Amino acid sequence: DAGVTQSPTHLIKTRGQQVTLRCSPISGHKSVSWYQQVLGQGPQFIFQYYEKEERGRGNFPDRFSARQFPNYSSELNVNALLLGDSALYLCASSLTGTGSYGYTFGSGTRLTVV
Amino acid sequence: AQSVTQPDIHITVSEGASLELRCNYSYGATPYLFWYVQSPGQGLQLLLKYFSGDTLVQGIKGFEAEFKRSQSSFNLRKPSVHWSDAAEYFCAVLNNAGNMLTFGGGTRLMVKP
Repeated sequence: DAGVTQSPTHLIKTRGQQVTLRCSPISGHKSVSWYQQVLGQGPQFIFQYYEKEERGRGNFPDRFSARQFPNYSSELNVNALLLGDSALYLCASSLTGTGSYGYTFGSGTRLTVV
Repeated sequence: AQSVTQPDIHITVSEGASLELRCNYSYGATPYLFWYVQSPGQGLQLLLKYFSGDTLVQGIKGFEAEFKRSQSSFNLRKPSVHWSDAAEYFCAVLNNAGNMLTFGGGTRLMVKP
């Protein structure tokens, strides 16, 4: 079975641009979460979506938005990119929205803002 | 608010030696705790989790962790380290709603031949 897949694996953007990152959860998983991992730090929670509804939001500005599609895949959008948005963006999927079965992470998208 | 502290930023051990990585958490209720491992440039792989019951939890790759409520700790152990264990290790706690993991800052493990 395929795990959590994220695309693209790497990308480079210029300050002020917009970026869209994509995530496909494990088949049968209905929850997708997004985390930002800045170099040298632990991941920070951005969003959780379950059954296409936002179920949690971390302490990130409104430039960050996300959505979940009927097939449970998800997109993370970041507008007006700043240098500080450079990070590894991780997607995690779970069977339910409560994490009682744990969260499985993808390999991430490495975003570099120049 | 919940928090996780991993006091050791870097640890170096010799191959074949035992390993203990420390994790302290702050959480009001019975915590759900996790250990993840991350190889360079990769995502996070779940090593083990504690939800309730037996306080000694077995995971993959020969790792185990012990939950100690009195010390608010969830330390990760391995009796004999292999060179392939060199990676970054993260401890995490799940919030009450079950929708957010809070991670520690990580411990980078280096293994000497």
